Amino acid sequence: EPEVTQTPSHQVTQMGQEVILRCVPISNHLYFYWYRQILGQKVEFLVSFYNNEISEKSEIFDDQFSVERPDGSNFTLKIRSTKLEDSAMYFCASSGTDRTGELFFGEGSRLTVL
Amino acid sequence: AQRVTQPEKLLSVFKGAPVELKCNYSYSGSPELFWYVQYSRQRLQLLLRHISRESIKGFTADLNKGETSFHLKKPFAQEEDSAMYYCALQGGSEKLVFGKGTKLTVNP
Repeated sequence: EPEVTQTPSHQVTQMGQEVILRCVPISNHLYFYWYRQILGQKVEFLVSFYNNEISEKSEIFDDQFSVERPDGSNFTLKIRSTKLEDSAMYFCASSGTDRTGELFFGEGSRLTVL
Repeated sequence: AQRVTQPEKLLSVFKGAPVELKCNYSYSGSPELFWYVQYSRQRLQLLLRHISRESIKGFTADLNKGETSFHLKKPFAQEEDSAMYYCALQGGSEKLVFGKGTKLTVNP
């Protein structure tokens, strides 16, 4: 069964460093998402991406964040200058050919900012 | 504003007992509502959605617009139902708004 894959599973970085989290969505899916979950808190929407552009973003997704689909398979989330409060589990998700609401999630990338 | 409230952080029942995980939402329009589940060491996955009106793994959920609720129920809990359960709302956009989740433990 096809799955969303994410790398790395865990990354530790120093405050101020750039981080890139990578995702390979399910191959025939068209909608891509990033969510995050700070420890003990709810899963929060960051951004959705469709047709090679951002279709929606939350207030969390400020200028420090960017997304790209550089090669038709990978979907990346970049944090330009990490802050302590960016420490969280970041989940990539994809959904199929229509906005059905069923998201297929990756296992997550845990980011620890020191 | 869209909001999902799951009032119970933890819920513990015995095997064979009925279980109800509560979910209330706030949204001015007609929402689409979902239950997602995360079993230990597994990824978040869809359990069921209100629009399909189906029963998955013995679980059902009915949308009550008057009470703005979407509680998840199962008449006889099994140990393998132990997991983290998240209620989620989709209203007028692509994003899902999640509740904080309820950790269900089914004891033998």
